[in-house]
Amino acid sequence: RKEVEQDPGPFNVPEGATVAFNCTYSNSASQSFFWYRQDCRKEPKLLMSVYSSGNEDGRFTAQLNRASQYISLLIRDSKLSDSATYLCVVNPWNTDKLIFGTGTRLQVFP
Amino acid sequence: DADVTQTPRNRITKTGKRIMLECSQTKGHDRMYWYRQDPGLGLRLIYYSFDVKDINKGEISDGYSVSRQAQAKFSLSLESAIPNQTALYFCATSEGGQPQHFGDGTRLSIL
Repeated sequence: RKEVEQDPGPFNVPEGATVAFNCTYSNSASQSFFWYRQDCRKEPKLLMSVYSSGNEDGRFTAQLNRASQYISLLIRDSKLSDSATYLCVVNPWNTDKLIFGTGTRLQVFP
Repeated sequence: DADVTQTPRNRITKTGKRIMLECSQTKGHDRMYWYRQDPGLGLRLIYYSFDVKDINKGEISDGYSVSRQAQAKFSLSLESAIPNQTALYFCATSEGGQPQHFGDGTRLSIL
């Protein structure tokens, strides 16, 4: 079993739609969780950290479910510019060694 | 100016050649990392360093070496390049407990 698993997609959604991605992780001792965004052949960029209480940043909401060992990312009112690959990232040992999922590709169409 | 700069951005070379990829940062972070990214495999950690002269192997260190002679610089070497090292390479930095920041990447092709 992979340490971090994501549905590769692609998720094809129209502008204005709401879309959600899940990511599961295998190490129950994992401490920190992040969502990164990566545009085609570009560097990953931090989208948001994921806190135990959940957090929201504009149209983006991230949640953590420790009991089921998954994190989620919800995007409301999708924009064309949201088209990208979203990487689920886990710090399993709190040592700054991040484990990356392979990413979920989102394509927003007009 | 970019906070994390990688050079070169693109490189094509032949099997058996020695190659060095450079990474420099202006963020003042202690921690630096080298990753490679392959389609369908995601980002994999090659080496990381938490301070000058501190070197630690990552998930896939075989065939690579690194050097951290200064806080701001972390170089990755392929002593004798082979075709399956063709990939997109990223350098990243972080401060303890904080998310990592990535350079623009180096696209390396080995023929």
